[in-house]
Amino acid sequence: DAGVIQSPRHEVTEMGQEVTLRCKPISGHDYLFWYRQTMMRGLELLIYFNNNVPIDDSGMPEDRFSAKMPNASFSTLKIQPSEPRDSAVYFCASSQQTQQYFGPGTRLTVT
Amino acid sequence: AQSVTQLDSQVPVFEEAPVELRCNYSSSVSVYLFWYVQYPNQGLQLLLKYLSGSTLVKGINGFEAEFNKSQTSFHLRKPSVHISDTAEYFCAVSDSGGYQKVTFGIGTKLQVIP
Repeated sequence: DAGVIQSPRHEVTEMGQEVTLRCKPISGHDYLFWYRQTMMRGLELLIYFNNNVPIDDSGMPEDRFSAKMPNASFSTLKIQPSEPRDSAVYFCASSQQTQQYFGPGTRLTVT
Repeated sequence: AQSVTQLDSQVPVFEEAPVELRCNYSSSVSVYLFWYVQYPNQGLQLLLKYLSGSTLVKGINGFEAEFNKSQTSFHLRKPSVHISDTAEYFCAVSDSGGYQKVTFGIGTKLQVIP
């Protein structure tokens, strides 16, 4: 298995632009998670899905952030409009039971 | 809600020396406990987990951890570290009843010195 796939690996954008991060979970996993990692706040859970349905989005920082999972093999995290404080590494992870498998992350820089 | 405290942000240790990375948690319910490792520019990968049973858990790469319920601790140990163990280590906890929502600690950077 290829593992969790994220794209792009790096994204540099200007403040105010829309950013879309993409994730393909491991086949057969029924949970998908989006995390944000920063030096100041560590690893934060933003949202997670079960069988494509959002279960808990209490970690989404504000309305500028939205996430979708239209099918079992694809999810997006969108930021619109982006701000410099959104600069971070965003991880997608998937799981079937207790172990989460992380993707390589997308490093987002908003200038 | 659960929380995790990793007491050391950085731990330098000489190669072949033993190491202990400390982790304490708080929770009002029974928990699952995890240690993940993150190598530079990579995602996290699971080192070991405690779900139930024996309190001494062995993981990959020679690491082990011991669950101590009375002290609410789950410290990670390795008897002899290698240069390749240089990485960031995250302790994590979840509610055993709702185990999918995992809370991660802030991380401990292990620096192995040749």
